[in-house]
Amino acid sequence: ETGVTQSPTHLIKTRGQQVTLRCSSQSGHNTVSWYQQALGQGPQFIFQYYREEENGRGNFPPRFSGLQFPNYSSELNVNALELDDSALYLCASSLLFGGADTEAFFGQGTRLTVV
Amino acid sequence: RKEVEQDPGPFNVPEGATVAFNCTYSNSASQSFFWYRQDCRKEPKLLMSVYSSGNEDGRFTAQLNRASQYISLLIRDSKLSDSATYLCVVKSEAGGYNKLIFGAGTRLAVHP
Repeated sequence: ETGVTQSPTHLIKTRGQQVTLRCSSQSGHNTVSWYQQALGQGPQFIFQYYREEENGRGNFPPRFSGLQFPNYSSELNVNALELDDSALYLCASSLLFGGADTEAFFGQGTRLTVV
Repeated sequence: RKEVEQDPGPFNVPEGATVAFNCTYSNSASQSFFWYRQDCRKEPKLLMSVYSSGNEDGRFTAQLNRASQYISLLIRDSKLSDSATYLCVVKSEAGGYNKLIFGAGTRLAVHP
């Protein structure tokens, strides 16, 4: 088991609603990345947070936003949910130091269903 | 063209078989490569890194061909417990940050 925990594990939302997913990073890690995995696909990079700031972003619209807190935990917020947002949302934590990062450890994911 | 492409699968093999998965990547500047394993409805877990010289971990052998931008994973003496989806992963180090780029995965089913 990694030290990365996500909550909730499952969630059902209605189209148009907003959702917040949470991730606690592994002890000693300072970077959190979020991924979206649709059914039958590999995970797709959403964005990364380092030192409480967005460090990089994938090809996702602005209604996907995030936060990182001083304890390095993180939130992913999605506004105006669409049916296609139904997916497994994974967070991964790593330690970024001196321009190099360690292996990323994934949480168990939050399975979001939009109806 | 997808940045990382894999054999679509699924691969259905008997216990004891040898099975090989292939993967190609589009960015010739990529430096780090991995195979991850993902069990049904679980998170991906690192199986092994892939080095230019090739590397082996027990029954698993990974190869990298930079000239062809090709990565492979060989599993010998397949076990029932090897049944999972295998994800080919390239680390992108562009833009001042690192991110993992995943293939769509190849599903392996090992049967008795």
